[in-house]
Amino acid sequence: GENVEQHPSTLSVQEGDSAVIKCTYSDSASNYFPWYKQELGKRPQLIIDIRSNVGEKKDQRIAVTLNKTAKHFSLHITETQPEDSAVYFCAASIPGGYNKLIFGAGTRLAVHP
Amino acid sequence: EADIYQTPRYLVIGTGKKITLECSQTMGHDKMYWYQQDPGMELHLIHYSYGVNSTEKGDLSSESTVSRIRTEHFPLTLESARPSHTSQYLCASSEFGGLVNNEQFFGPGTRLTVL
Repeated sequence: GENVEQHPSTLSVQEGDSAVIKCTYSDSASNYFPWYKQELGKRPQLIIDIRSNVGEKKDQRIAVTLNKTAKHFSLHITETQPEDSAVYFCAASIPGGYNKLIFGAGTRLAVHP
Repeated sequence: EADIYQTPRYLVIGTGKKITLECSQTMGHDKMYWYQQDPGMELHLIHYSYGVNSTEKGDLSSESTVSRIRTEHFPLTLESARPSHTSQYLCASSEFGGLVNNEQFFGPGTRLTVL
């Protein structure tokens, strides 16, 4: 079955620096890759997603890249701010699973002023 | 306002009790999901539903059961709570898109503690 690995598990950066989180997936038939942000005590919220027919997608300071050949995708946050501090989860769709997702283990990002 | 609601938000209960976690959505979505998450850790799918009278078990084995009698309502029941059930339970929903995957929207969660 599908498996998603996420690295690093923790990431500490200075305000203004860039942060990169990487995920790999196992099933080449996966076609949808969302990223969720979960602040302490709050619900996960989608911040960006990408489908397998696209290699890169940007939304202001956030970008996601997808390499289907290597089966990995990455989240890039530029000009980090303290409010970016949260746990970030990547996910991959389960092929034929009608919108079922399998999540990575999460990355705890800390942005220091 | 369209949203997903979960009650209770916090529940502390003794071993052996029967509990039901409520989830309702006013998003008009067909698909609904239950995830189990230890704080800050990975989300594990335990149940999902494509619509009324459709329920399936997820990837993580769970002793809980679910029902889907109404589109907007997807309660989760534990017949006999145990300390190993202590966790956060997140409900989510998404539009039906056939084979097209759509964003899952999450509720605020229920934090369950079984003593």
